[in-house]
Amino acid sequence: AQSVTQPDIHITVSEGASLELRCNYSYGATPYLFWYVQSPGQGLQLLLKYFSGDTLVQGIKGFEAEFKRSQSSFNLRKPSVHWSDAAEYFCAASGEGTYKYIFGTGTRLKVLA
Amino acid sequence: NAGVMQNPRHLVRRRGQEARLRCSPMKGHSHVYWYRQLPEEGLKFMVYLQKENIIDESGMPKERFSAEFPKEGPSILRIQQVVRGDSAAYFCASSPPSRNTEAFFGQGTRLTVV
Repeated sequence: AQSVTQPDIHITVSEGASLELRCNYSYGATPYLFWYVQSPGQGLQLLLKYFSGDTLVQGIKGFEAEFKRSQSSFNLRKPSVHWSDAAEYFCAASGEGTYKYIFGTGTRLKVLA
Repeated sequence: NAGVMQNPRHLVRRRGQEARLRCSPMKGHSHVYWYRQLPEEGLKFMVYLQKENIIDESGMPKERFSAEFPKEGPSILRIQQVVRGDSAAYFCASSPPSRNTEAFFGQGTRLTVV
C-alpha cells in the first residue's frame, strides 16, 4: 500500500540551530514528492517539490530537501532555523500525472528562543 | 492572481444540520480536489472533480457527503445531517490541466459540529 511516514510527531530546536525533518515513502514507482508547511489556523504552503532530475531540491524560506531513492526518503533540511519557522510540516507523495496526494501525519516544529 | 478561495473559513453547525463548503479554484485551474484533516492527523483525499464531472470520489464517505463543481460557480462540498465526527478542517486544492504540476491549497474551512 502507498504510504508516507513522518516518524517524528514533534521536534524542538533552538533558534539558529540546524533542522532535519524526516519523510519516508512507500510507493510502487518513484513518486512526486512535496513538502508543505501549515501555520496554526492557516492553509498549506508549498515549500518545495521533487518531480525528477537533481535529487537536491531548493525551496522557499531557505529550505531544501534531498531525494534518496535507495532509502525511500525525502528529508527536509534548513541550516539555521528562525522562530517564524515554528509550524507543522507535511510531506506528501503522488504518482506521475495523478492527483491524489498521500500525506504524512505531520511534524510539529517548535523553536526555542 | 488570487489563490484558491474557500468560504466560510469557520463554520459551526448543530448535529443534524447541513454544511456547505465552497471553493473557488485559482484562475485557469479546472481541477478541484477536496481533502479532510481530522484533528492531529494528516490530510486525507476525499474527491477529485473537473467541471461538471466527478472523476474520483474514492475518499468520500458513502453517506451524507456529496461534491459538485458546476459549469459556473464554485465547487461545493455538502455534508448532510452532520455528526460530531465530521468536525475537521476541509481543504480544497486546485490545479491546471497540465499533468506535471502541484496542487495549490486554500486556507481551509474549519467545521465544528456542536
